[in-house]
Amino acid sequence: DTGVSQDPRHKITKRGQNVTFRCDPISEHNRLYWYRQTLGQGPEFLTYFQNEAQLEKSRLLSDRFSAERPKGSFSTLEIQRTEQGDSAMYLCASSLQNNYGYTFGSGTRLTVV
Amino acid sequence: DQQVKQNSPSLSVQEGRISILNCDYTNSMFDYFLWYKKYPAEGPTFLISISSIKDKNEDGRFTVFLNKSAKHLSLHIVPSQPGDSAVYFCAARGTGANNLFFGTGTRLTVIP
Repeated sequence: DTGVSQDPRHKITKRGQNVTFRCDPISEHNRLYWYRQTLGQGPEFLTYFQNEAQLEKSRLLSDRFSAERPKGSFSTLEIQRTEQGDSAMYLCASSLQNNYGYTFGSGTRLTVV
Repeated sequence: DQQVKQNSPSLSVQEGRISILNCDYTNSMFDYFLWYKKYPAEGPTFLISISSIKDKNEDGRFTVFLNKSAKHLSLHIVPSQPGDSAVYFCAARGTGANNLFFGTGTRLTVIP
């Protein structure tokens, strides 16, 4: 197992475009989390899945954001009509249930120009 | 509203000495605390954790201390090694919650 994989590592997009990121968690982990980190800040919670069910969403996750985890395996995070304020590192993490020592991926750095 | 605070953005320590990283929190409902380490271009890596029912947890060179009355925790690294140079994040979980609140991080530099 190579850990949590995120793709792409970097994404530059023009304002108003849609972007989609992918996360492949550790295979036996049933929980998957998305966090966002901006410069000088710690990671901020966006949403989490237990298997294929999206169980919690932060108020940071506006209606332009949508996340899916079909079949409880990989997950995608889509941002529609990107804004400059969406520029950040998007981190995915996975864990076993009730284990909060998440394993994070290396993140996708989004730059909106 | 920053519920987890790391007030020292950076810390420099000589190799072999003790590194002490501090973290304060405001939410008395937090019941589980973690430290993560982050190298450049990598995601955070889990380091050590402590439940609110304990006041100390030790793992090799790393020890976390929790002072619930002061809403304060600290990470001690001894002896510090150059490979410990990284950004350290403190994180906390609320009772029954499924997400973590992170501090803003402290950049530790261990000088050889």
